[in-house]
Amino acid sequence: GNSVTQMEGPVTLSEEAFLTINCTYTATGYPSLFWYVQYPGEGLQLLLKATKADDKGSNKGFEATYRKETTSFHLEKGSVQVSDSAVYFCALSDLDYGQNFVFGPGTRLSVLP
Amino acid sequence: DAGITQSPRHKVTETGTPVTLRCHQTENHRYMYWYRQDPGHGLRLIHYSYGVKDTDKGEVSDGYSVSRSKTEDFLLTLESATSSQTSVYFCAISESVRRKNTEAFFGQGTRLTVV
Repeated sequence: GNSVTQMEGPVTLSEEAFLTINCTYTATGYPSLFWYVQYPGEGLQLLLKATKADDKGSNKGFEATYRKETTSFHLEKGSVQVSDSAVYFCALSDLDYGQNFVFGPGTRLSVLP
Repeated sequence: DAGITQSPRHKVTETGTPVTLRCHQTENHRYMYWYRQDPGHGLRLIHYSYGVKDTDKGEVSDGYSVSRSKTEDFLLTLESATSSQTSVYFCAISESVRRKNTEAFFGQGTRLTVV
């Protein structure tokens, strides 16, 4: 079946540092890819998404590019802030193969002032 | 924000008792999901629904049942609660457009403790 692998962390960075969280996937077809963010005590919120190869999703300074050749969807941000501290989940969805959302294990990010 | 309401938000129950969690949506989305979130396991799908009275099992469905009698409501029942079912439960909804899933919208979660 389809699956998602991501670095589990925790990741600790200083404010204004560059962020990369790696995500790779295994899929039979051509899934849509997502990054979600979860702040303490809250549900998951969509951060960005991409629905086909070479699409770049972006939001709030975060971006990720759908790379079919490397089956990857790495999350990046050029300059993190303390308010970015959260847990980040990579996910895929492929309705053509009966796959609803499959989530990675999550990566906890802590940004220090 | 997507209109998803989970109730209750917190519950403590005793081992062996039945428990029902409710998810209510105002978005008229076709798909509804129940996940549980546990440290070290991320999000795991319990059951999902793809329409009224149409449901299917996820990866951790043992000990749980669901019902969807109306588009807007998706109920999760723990038939006889066990301590291993202590978790945070999330409901989510999504829709499909041209065979592509839109993003999933999540509720705020229900923290269930089984003592």
